Amino acid sequence: DGGITQSPKYLFRKEGQNVTLSCEQNLNHDAMYWYRQDPGQGLRLIYYSQIVNDFQKGDIAEGYSVSREKKESFPLTVTSAQKNPTAFYLCASSMGGKGTGELFFGEGSRLTVL
Amino acid sequence: GEDVEQSLFLSVREGDSSVINCTYTDSSSTYLYWYKQEPGAGLQLLTYIFSNMDMKQDQRLTVLLNKKDKHLSLRIADTQTGDSAIYFCAEGSYIPTFGRGTSLIVHP
Repeated sequence: DGGITQSPKYLFRKEGQNVTLSCEQNLNHDAMYWYRQDPGQGLRLIYYSQIVNDFQKGDIAEGYSVSREKKESFPLTVTSAQKNPTAFYLCASSMGGKGTGELFFGEGSRLTVL
Repeated sequence: GEDVEQSLFLSVREGDSSVINCTYTDSSSTYLYWYKQEPGAGLQLLTYIFSNMDMKQDQRLTVLLNKKDKHLSLRIADTQTGDSAIYFCAEGSYIPTFGRGTSLIVHP
């Protein structure tokens, strides 16, 4: 089945620890995105990548880092510099500038800082 | 700047029609989208409309676009309890901007 897979689904972290969220897609999509979702605030863009080995900051990149070494993979690291990391994180992919611009989302990862 | 606004909650009775409204600011968007999010899950594209269209119908869903007022609406006919979810309006064909989402609550 083609799709986008995020792991883990639930993650607990102590303050001061870095954590990495995994995102893998087998849709052969060029573009990948990370969004953060908080109740009542909708989706806010953290980082996006249009092509391998290139990525751009979104609206709330501070305290986060990403890499795009492979087309299929776009992991997100939540660093200890992120002041309020507890949230629901969504990864998405798309065909980029081609097609209708539809985003395909993973099932999300819920991060809780203890 | 770009912004997408939508009301946060809508409550309807099962069998009635639901209308979710959205306003946007970027008039250059080629496509406008409606996504659905079920609890604890990711978003799925429900439907989209090309910017040169006024209306699109897909089974129980009707999308209306008023480009002059930058207003987009989603009508769900014969709303069912399974339609309870958060509905997001989005604009922008490459890096979409999402509204805050409208929680649709369907009660018997």
